[in-house]
Amino acid sequence: GQQLNQSPQSMFIQEGEDVSMNCTSSSIFNTWLWYKQDPGEGPVLLIALYKAGELTSNGRLTAQFGITRKDSFLNISASIPSDVGIYFCAGQSVGTASKLTFGTGTRLQVTL
Amino acid sequence: DAGVIQSPRHEVTEMGQEVTLRCKPISGHNSLFWYRQTMMRGLELLIYFNNNVPIDDSGMPEDRFSAKMPNASFSTLKIQPSEPRDSAVYFCASSSQYNSPLHFGNGTRLTVT
Repeated sequence: GQQLNQSPQSMFIQEGEDVSMNCTSSSIFNTWLWYKQDPGEGPVLLIALYKAGELTSNGRLTAQFGITRKDSFLNISASIPSDVGIYFCAGQSVGTASKLTFGTGTRLQVTL
Repeated sequence: DAGVIQSPRHEVTEMGQEVTLRCKPISGHNSLFWYRQTMMRGLELLIYFNNNVPIDDSGMPEDRFSAKMPNASFSTLKIQPSEPRDSAVYFCASSSQYNSPLHFGNGTRLTVT
């Protein structure tokens, strides 16, 4: 079956630093999504990407849909303490309705 | 918008007992998904419905698990009998249409002792 490799698994950064994480797939996706999960809550959608090569921003967050359709990255600029959480990529294949495959997550911790 | 509502938030039960998890999707959303999250396996899709009809239940672990969606505003996930390895956080999510992003509830943390 499909596999989504997400890296890094965890990051410790200082407030103000930029963050980058990525996901790669063994197969092609037609949609890439990035979610953030806070403790005790469900994942919340951050950015959705629908076209290969698409670059989309949401405030300090920027994500790109890789040109090969097998990868995506998420950047967070000028991190702040509330960026702490687990970030998940998710991919959707052609013909699978809204069925998503999730990455293993990147745990982000921000120190002051 | 109230978002996806799940109940209970926490459930502790003994092995062998029946467990029922409940979900109210966002009004107007016609697709509903049940996910399970564990440290070892991450987020796994158990089953999803489109217009109240189960479309894909290939992720349901075994016959002890069943899910229903009697109407557009309510779904249940039942485990009978429950086992300690069922301990996890169970999420319900909904989406408005084919290919649109999922919106998750806050989950039910299930502990089976």
